[in-house]
Amino acid sequence: DAGVTQSPTHLIKTRGQQVTLRCSPISGHKSVSWYQQVLGQGPQFIFQYYEKEERGRGNFPDRFSARQFPNYSSELNVNALLLGDSALYLCASSSPGAVQEDTQYFGPGTRLTVL
Amino acid sequence: AQTVTQSQPEMSVQEAETVTLSCTYDTSESNYYLFWYKQPPSRQMILVIRQEAYKQQNATENRFSVNFQKAAKSFSLKISDSQLGDTAMYFCAFMKTTGGGADGLTFGKGTHLIIQP
Repeated sequence: DAGVTQSPTHLIKTRGQQVTLRCSPISGHKSVSWYQQVLGQGPQFIFQYYEKEERGRGNFPDRFSARQFPNYSSELNVNALLLGDSALYLCASSSPGAVQEDTQYFGPGTRLTVL
Repeated sequence: AQTVTQSQPEMSVQEAETVTLSCTYDTSESNYYLFWYKQPPSRQMILVIRQEAYKQQNATENRFSVNFQKAAKSFSLKISDSQLGDTAMYFCAFMKTTGGGADGLTFGKGTHLIIQP
């Protein structure tokens, strides 16, 4: 079975631009979470979506938004990019209601560089 | 809010040795899950082991085992017979059980483990 996939792998943007990152969860998983990992730090939670509804949000500004589609894939959007948004963006999927429903499985990430 | 602390920024051991990575956490929750994730240079975050706080028995997965001390809020990872492929960043993470994981995982800053040949 395919794991969590993310696209693109790398992305370079300039300050003030907007970016969209994409994630496809493991087949059968209905929940997707997004994390930001700045170099040298652990990941920070941004959003969790389940059944197309936002279930949780971390301490990130409104420039960050996300959505989940009927096939459970998800997009993370960041507007008005700042230099500090440069990071690895990780997507994780999980399967609420299943055995070990809490366990999140991560994709390979998208490396965003803001110049 | 929960916090996770990993006090060892970097550790280095010889191949085949046993190594223990430390993790402490702070929470007012009584029910939660704890995880260790591994992130090699390829940057893919890989689940190593999970522990449910209500279980007293320490989790084990092949060469990986944990020492979970709930009262002390300590959750260390022991890697036995270390291998070159174990070289990676290791992150300790916390998730509370209420809300179905809607608050996401809280991670520590990580420990860079280097296995020397």
